[in-house]
Amino acid sequence: ETGVTQTPRHLVMGMTNKKSLKCEQHLGHNAMYWYKQSAKKPLELMFVYSLEERVENNSVPSRFSPECPNSSHLFLHLHTLQPEDSALYLCASSQDTGGVGNQPQHFGDGTRLSIL
Amino acid sequence: GESVGLHLPTLSVQEGDNSIINCAYSNSASDYFIWYKQESGKGPQFIIDIRSNMDKRQGQRVTVLLNKTVKHLSLQIAATQPGDSAVYFCAENKGRDDKIIFGKGTRLHILP
Repeated sequence: ETGVTQTPRHLVMGMTNKKSLKCEQHLGHNAMYWYKQSAKKPLELMFVYSLEERVENNSVPSRFSPECPNSSHLFLHLHTLQPEDSALYLCASSQDTGGVGNQPQHFGDGTRLSIL
Repeated sequence: GESVGLHLPTLSVQEGDNSIINCAYSNSASDYFIWYKQESGKGPQFIIDIRSNMDKRQGQRVTVLLNKTVKHLSLQIAATQPGDSAVYFCAENKGRDDKIIFGKGTRLHILP
C-alpha cells in the first residue's frame, strides 16, 4: 500500500466531457499536491494545498479545477480538456511542518489520462 | 527554466556492479535535495534525502553525495539488482518554504 491512493488509474475522455480525478492519503499529512507528468519532461507542479487551503496555482489553465475538502482528500476536476492535456497526473502529500520545500513528498501511482 | 538536471538520460549497468547517477543543480539557495525512483506504471518513490549541512548520507544500499562547491548531487546504488531498473529523479527546493523542483530523470538499465 502506497499511502497515497489515486482513482481512476486510467481515464479516457472526449474534449467535451467533465470528469474528476480523486486522491486520498492515509499518512496524516497536511499538504497535498497535483503534478502533471508528460513524456520526456520533468514533473510539472500544478497545485499545492496546505491544510485545505490552496497555496500555489502554477499558472494552470482554468479547465483544471482542484478541490480539497479536507486534508486527506484532493480532487482534480477536468472540463473541456485538450489533446495536449493527455499525461500522467500524480498526486502527492507531505507533512507540511517546517515548509513544503523542506520535506519529501509521497506520491500515488497516478491517473493515466488520454484525451480523444 | 529548470534548475535541476541530470547528466545522462539513460545508464546501463551490469547486475552486481555499483551504479552512480549524477545530477547538477544551479540554485545556490537550495538547501534540501531528494532522490526518487519511478518504476514503470507507478508513481515516484522516495529513496533518500540530504540537507545542505551534510555532504554524504547513507541508506540501505544507497548513498547520496552532495558537493555544494560544484553544485553536484549523486546517487550511488551498491550491488545493482534487476529490481533497481527504473527512472531516477533528483529534486531540489528553492528555499525552505518554496516548492521542490524535479529534474528530467535518468533511466537505469540493468544488464544480465
